[in-house]
Amino acid sequence: GENVEQHPSTLSVQEGDSAVIKCTYSDSASNYFPWYKQELGKGPQLIIDIRSNVGEKKDQRIAVTLNKTAKHFSLHITETQPEDSAVYFCAAGGTYKYIFGTGTRLKVLA
Amino acid sequence: KAGVTQTPRYLIKTRGQQVTLSCSPISGHRSVSWYQQTPGQGLQFLFEYFSETQRNKGNFPGRFSGRQFSNSRSEMNVSTLELGDSALYLCASSARTSGGGWQTQYFGPGTRLLVL
Repeated sequence: GENVEQHPSTLSVQEGDSAVIKCTYSDSASNYFPWYKQELGKGPQLIIDIRSNVGEKKDQRIAVTLNKTAKHFSLHITETQPEDSAVYFCAAGGTYKYIFGTGTRLKVLA
Repeated sequence: KAGVTQTPRYLIKTRGQQVTLSCSPISGHRSVSWYQQTPGQGLQFLFEYFSETQRNKGNFPGRFSGRQFSNSRSEMNVSTLELGDSALYLCASSARTSGGGWQTQYFGPGTRLLVL
């Protein structure tokens, strides 16, 4: 069935370093790829998204890249800060629904 | 604009009972989706409603149902609760139209349901 694999499940980085989270999707009809950040006790918040007709998108310290051929997309966070610590989810908007990755717990160590 | 609101925020029920959760989408949004979030299974899609009609459905048993009202507010109902239904139930709204492509989904804070 349709699925989205997300790696790594946990990631610890030093403050100021970069963090990269990778996702792979299976549904070739997917054409929308959002990334969400979820903090404790809150619902997921959109941080960046990309559509299938774009290969890369950047918003300040956050960037997303998409390789449609390989069905890969990645989240890049540069100059990480302690407030970036949270769980990050990727998702793929397929034919009928969003499929979410299993999440990455990012810890930024001060 | 006010964000997506969900009520109640916390709920404790016992096995066999039923529960109704409520979601008010962002003003102007007609698409409302529901998700179940558990530590083991992540975010699982339950169903999507658009203009009072269920448009898409995930792989959940018939005990899970929903509806949408003319003002786009949505309710989700779970009957005959089981221990495994304990989860965070999230509602998301979007400006997705009937024939349009994907639009950003905005999530509410969720309702945490505990089944004892």
